Amino acid sequence: SQQGEEDPQALSIQEGENATMNCSYKTSINNLQWYRQNSGRGLVHLILIRSNEREKHSGRLRVTLDTSKKSSSLLITASRAADTASYFCATALATYGNNRLAFGKGNQVVVIP
Amino acid sequence: DGGITQSPKYLFRKEGQNVTLSCEQNLNHDAMYWYRQDPGQGLRLIYYSQIVNDFQKGDIAEGYSVSREKKESFPLTVTSAQKNPTAFYLCATRGGGSDEQYFGPGTRLTVT
Repeated sequence: SQQGEEDPQALSIQEGENATMNCSYKTSINNLQWYRQNSGRGLVHLILIRSNEREKHSGRLRVTLDTSKKSSSLLITASRAADTASYFCATALATYGNNRLAFGKGNQVVVIP
Repeated sequence: DGGITQSPKYLFRKEGQNVTLSCEQNLNHDAMYWYRQDPGQGLRLIYYSQIVNDFQKGDIAEGYSVSREKKESFPLTVTSAQKNPTAFYLCATRGGGSDEQYFGPGTRLTVT
């Protein structure tokens, strides 16, 4: 079942600006993960946040999780042209443990040099 | 050279033919997954396997079949019963105590 819903679906920004994407979900989760996909390629894992965590950082990435609102945000700071990609949130549903993920439809981010 | 191999990168078939997509991994991961991605869409889970000789249906298993005879391999067969098989197919693994999934490069299947 599709659980994650990202917002906005498409984002176009200038290099150096920050990019923020949101993801909402419907049911209880064990963790929430963000992945990046370059056009026509496989997905690459970016960051994982567990249900008992509120914020996590990794390099230029910051992810937040609000379980009361069932939502997460991904912030990419000081964006670069190489950040142009689609970004997906994926939730590990509590029902299935960590055995499967439900992916959202993705955010297309274009960083203009 | 560790990783996940999917072959071929592009695959063309005539309607009514079964076709098998290959997924091989040398990461020693127990769990393997097959997803389908349609243009502008997220990933939908077809089948997954947590251990050799065992697999479970995902959300869109109809028209697909899998096997898991070896830890390294999880082939996906797209049967003629799949009504709209043209899509991008992604294989992924999970293991080593991690919750993240590792993805192969994908196979783009076109059925005409």
